[in-house]
Amino acid sequence: EVQLLESGGGLVQPGGSLRLSCAASGFTFSSYAMNWVRQAPGKGLEWVSSISGSGDNIYYTDSVKGRFTISRDNSKNTLYLQMNSLSAEDTAVYYCAKGAYNWNPWIDYWGQGTLLTVSS
Amino acid sequence: QSALTQPASVSGSPGQSITISCTGTSTDIGSYNFVSWYQHHPGKAPKLMIFEVNKQSAGVSNRFSASKSDNTASLTISGLQAEDEADYYCCSFAGYGTLIFGGGTKLTVL
Repeated sequence: EVQLLESGGGLVQPGGSLRLSCAASGFTFSSYAMNWVRQAPGKGLEWVSSISGSGDNIYYTDSVKGRFTISRDNSKNTLYLQMNSLSAEDTAVYYCAKGAYNWNPWIDYWGQGTLLTVSS
Repeated sequence: QSALTQPASVSGSPGQSITISCTGTSTDIGSYNFVSWYQHHPGKAPKLMIFEVNKQSAGVSNRFSASKSDNTASLTISGLQAEDEADYYCCSFAGYGTLIFGGGTKLTVL
């Protein structure tokens, strides 16, 4: 059974930093792309970033380029999202999500999400 | 890229059918047969319902069907049930490893 467990969310001041983690199990982690998707309060889902199984290919939505860094540790079956220069617009539930294949044509499994609140 | 366009809300009575549209562009829906649909009950993890335009995910009721024409995809739910009440999102592969979601549609079962 695929399981994705996010952690690391919390309250951060504007301009601050935070790192999210996602512990994966139930599949061969290194063989699949992984994603971060977020949902701001009252808004829809927004794809944030993806990383290929090897970590060689990384993509970001424009609004987080230069501020967020996605990474993975295949030896620990863990996905990360380092978030810097946070603003109120980054407040959202952040979901860890597994790509269907290594090249990420769609998402087939999601975690329960972790809440990030950026506020002073 | 802008989000795919979905109606904000749809509603139907039990037993009826509803269709949710999802309009993109020639660079996402129009370029790839990798449209997926997700059911999201607030507070829970989204659930994959449809992938590759019209393929049902394992365990999904055959009351859920989908299609695509040019830059627009559609999800149809037939025989509406109370448990279908949720938010529904379309998603398209947009090249390389990127994905784009629709704004979401709230389905109300009257």
